[in-house]
Amino acid sequence: GDSVTQMEGPVTLSEEAFLTINCTYTATGYPSLFWYVQYPGEGLQLLLKATKADDKGSNKGFEATYRKETTSFHLEKGSVQVSDSAVYFCALRITGGGNKLTFGTGTQLKVEL
Amino acid sequence: KAGVTQTPRYLIKTRGQQVTLSCSPISGHRSVSWYQQTPGQGLQFLFEYFSETQRNKGNFPGRFSGRQFSNSRSEMNVSTLELGDSALYLCASSLQVDAADTQYFGPGTRLTVL
Repeated sequence: GDSVTQMEGPVTLSEEAFLTINCTYTATGYPSLFWYVQYPGEGLQLLLKATKADDKGSNKGFEATYRKETTSFHLEKGSVQVSDSAVYFCALRITGGGNKLTFGTGTQLKVEL
Repeated sequence: KAGVTQTPRYLIKTRGQQVTLSCSPISGHRSVSWYQQTPGQGLQFLFEYFSETQRNKGNFPGRFSGRQFSNSRSEMNVSTLELGDSALYLCASSLQVDAADTQYFGPGTRLTVL
């Protein structure tokens, strides 16, 4: 079946540090890939997406590149802020498989001053 | 434009009872999906509706059911509640059923089963 594997958290960084959260996937068909963010007490917000190989999604300084050869979609940000503290979820959706999202377990990010 | 709304936001029930949760999608959106979020199992897909038809269903027991109305609003029902049903239930809406279409999530309903 389809699955998404994310690095374990929590990840604790100092403000302005570089962030990488690893995400790899296994898909039965051709996937679109997503990163969602969840702030405390809230639902999920789409952070960025990529729908085909080699596409780069980017938003608010975050970016991720769809790498079909390594089945990866790692999230990066050059300089994190305290306000980036949240839980980040990598997800996939199979083309032709409706809107069902398969999520990773989530990675909690804590950014300290 | 208003976002996805879910009611109620918090709910406390006892084992054996049933519960109905409601989701109002963004205006014009015809697809609604439901997810269960727990610390142990993470985010799991429950079901998906489009134009009042269930298009996809996750691996949950028959106690979990849902429906969608002609105005695209959706409800999910859980009967004979168990302690393990305690979770955050999230609803997501999108315009169509399309891999490139963005899904927007509501704030969720926090269900506690005592």
